[in-house]
Amino acid sequence: AQSVTQLGSHVSVSEGALVLLRCNYSSSVPPYLFWYVQYPNQGLQLLLKYTSAATLVKGINGFEAEFKKSETSFHLTKPSAHMSDAAEYFCAVTLSGNTPLVFGKGTRLSVIA
Amino acid sequence: DTGVSQNPRHKITKRGQNVTFRCDPISEHNRLYWYRQTLGQGPEFLTYFQNEAQLEKSRLLSDRFSAERPKGSFSTLEIQRTEQGDSAMYLCASSHLAGAQETQYFGPGTRLLVL
Repeated sequence: AQSVTQLGSHVSVSEGALVLLRCNYSSSVPPYLFWYVQYPNQGLQLLLKYTSAATLVKGINGFEAEFKKSETSFHLTKPSAHMSDAAEYFCAVTLSGNTPLVFGKGTRLSVIA
Repeated sequence: DTGVSQNPRHKITKRGQNVTFRCDPISEHNRLYWYRQTLGQGPEFLTYFQNEAQLEKSRLLSDRFSAERPKGSFSTLEIQRTEQGDSAMYLCASSHLAGAQETQYFGPGTRLLVL
């Protein structure tokens, strides 16, 4: 069965600093990987997805993630944090691209002025 | 494209009561998913439909839970004899399966509090 581990339940960065949110997956077959963002009292919004077309994936709001098979990782980065990036971020995996998502526990990002 | 909508957004009920939630997917999306999210956790899969057929149910979906998608459009999730442990955010997502891949789009969720 596939699973996702998000290291760090809470990450705090200064405005303008690099954002790095970690995600490691476990899968018996090449996975499809996703990052979603959740603002308070809202549903999840898709940031980006990896579907094996390219290892570096660019998403919305300046975020990107790199798929590294050797490290079984799919870390999310953004060069310069904005106050509006403060939210909960979830990494998710699915085996075949058309099955239910398996989510990590999430990482709450705080941005300090 | 109006997005996935869910109603109600909030529900407070007493233990033992029945509740029903509704999800309206994005138009033309043939798949609809239900997830449950408790505080401090990621969403957990409950069940999903392709058109009107319920294809899979999680072990989390006890016999007190039932979901329907009668005409392949909107879906309802009913919880009978609610328990305090049912308090959570219930999220609905829809997708259009074309080929081997899909992207799930989520609604705003229904937050349930069982007293």
